[in-house]
Amino acid sequence: QVQLQESGPGLVRPSETLSLTCTFFGGSVSGYYWNWLRQPAGNGLEWIGRVYSSGSTNFNPSVMTRVTMSVDTSKNQFSLKLFSATAADTAVYYCARGDIRTRAFDIWGQGKLVTVSS
Amino acid sequence: IVVTQSPGTLSLSPGERATLSCRASHSVTGTFLSWYQQKPGQAPRLLIYSASTRATGIPDRFSGGGSGTDFTLTISRLEPEDSAVYYCQHHNNPVTFGGGTKVEIK
Repeated sequence: QVQLQESGPGLVRPSETLSLTCTFFGGSVSGYYWNWLRQPAGNGLEWIGRVYSSGSTNFNPSVMTRVTMSVDTSKNQFSLKLFSATAADTAVYYCARGDIRTRAFDIWGQGKLVTVSS
Repeated sequence: IVVTQSPGTLSLSPGERATLSCRASHSVTGTFLSWYQQKPGQAPRLLIYSASTRATGIPDRFSGGGSGTDFTLTISRLEPEDSAVYYCQHHNNPVTFGGGTKVEIK
C-alpha cells in the first residue's frame, strides 16, 4: 500500500530553520513530482512548492526566497527546508505526490503540526 | 491566478443535491483543475482531477465539470459522510487553492 509519512521536529524556534522529510512507502519517487503544502489552524491550504524526481524545483513566490527542497531517490525521500522561521509559519505541513500527467495530488501524508515559538 | 469558491457554506439535507462553484481569475491551462475533500483532522483527499474525472474509489454521486475559468463540483445525493470542506485547486504555476466550501448536512 502506497503512503507518505512526514517526519521532523514539531517545535522550531523563531529565526531558525524548519526542516521536514517525507518518506514514500510502497513505490518509487521516480516518475512523479513531490509537493509540500501547509495549512494554518482554521485556514485553507497553501502550496509551498514541488520537487521533481530529477531534482528540479518550483516554489510559491510567497516563500521562494527562504525555501529549498531536495529529493533522495535512494531513500525514497524528499525534504523541505524553510529558513528564518516566524510564528506565521506555524501550520500543519503536508507532503503530497503529484501525477505528472494530470498534475493532481493523489496521495497525501497525514500531516505534521509544526509550531514556531520560543 | 486567484481562485474563488462559492458559497462559503452550504447546509443541506441528506439526499439533496449540492452544487459547488470554483472560479479562476484567468483561464486554467488545459483542464488542470482538481477538487479535494477534507474532513476535520484529516489530510485532503483527491476527488476529481482534470476537471471532470473521478479519482480511484470515489463514488459516482460526485461529478465535476467546467472549463476555462468556471468549474463546478456536484454531489448528486448527499450522504451524512459528505460533511466536509471542499477545495478546488488549479495547477498553473504557482499552484493555488480556493478558500473552500464547507458542506454541512442537516
